Amino acid sequence: GDSVTQTEGLVTLTEGLPVMLNCTYQTIYSNPFLFWYVQHLNESPRLLLKSFTDNKRTEHQGFHATLHKSSSSFHLQKSSAQLSDSALYYCALSTGGNNKLTFGQGTVLSVIP
Amino acid sequence: GGIITQTPKFLIGQEGQKLTLKCQQNFNHDTMYWYRQDSGKGLRLIYYSITENDLQKGDLSEGYDASREKKSSFSLTVTSAQKNEMAVFLCASSIGGRKTLYFGSGTRLTVL
Repeated sequence: GDSVTQTEGLVTLTEGLPVMLNCTYQTIYSNPFLFWYVQHLNESPRLLLKSFTDNKRTEHQGFHATLHKSSSSFHLQKSSAQLSDSALYYCALSTGGNNKLTFGQGTVLSVIP
Repeated sequence: GGIITQTPKFLIGQEGQKLTLKCQQNFNHDTMYWYRQDSGKGLRLIYYSITENDLQKGDLSEGYDASREKKSSFSLTVTSAQKNEMAVFLCASSIGGRKTLYFGSGTRLTVL
């Protein structure tokens, strides 16, 4: 079945440094939809950005990601981390026509002063 | 805008007990989901439903039942609570496949 693999565990960054959270996926389907969800402490996950177009950068709230089907990747990036970016980030995959969304294991981003 | 309401927020049960979690949405979304959230394991799909009275098993359906009797509600039953399934259970809904999921605030399950 489908699977998603993210940067493991905890990523700790100093404020102002660039953010890169890795996400790779496996699927037999040729038209994957990829998503990044963010969950702040004591909140529910919410959509950060999504893409289904190969090699096209998508941006939202200072974050960006590009779906690369050749490498099955959808890494999340930001040029300069802020303290408010500290949260749990999930990469997710949707394929085929079955309405199913498969999440990765999540990456905690901790931004310190 | 809409909202997803999960009840109860906290659920405490005894090992072996049958427990039910409820979810209501007023988005008028067709598809609803139940995910289990465990630290370090991400969000794992238990059941989902693409329309009223439809049920689809996810990757973690063993030990759970679900029911979608109305478009707006989706309930999850833990058939026999075990201590190793203490987790947060999140309900979500979407218009359909490949669309944004909107999540409820979760039910935290504790098994004594």
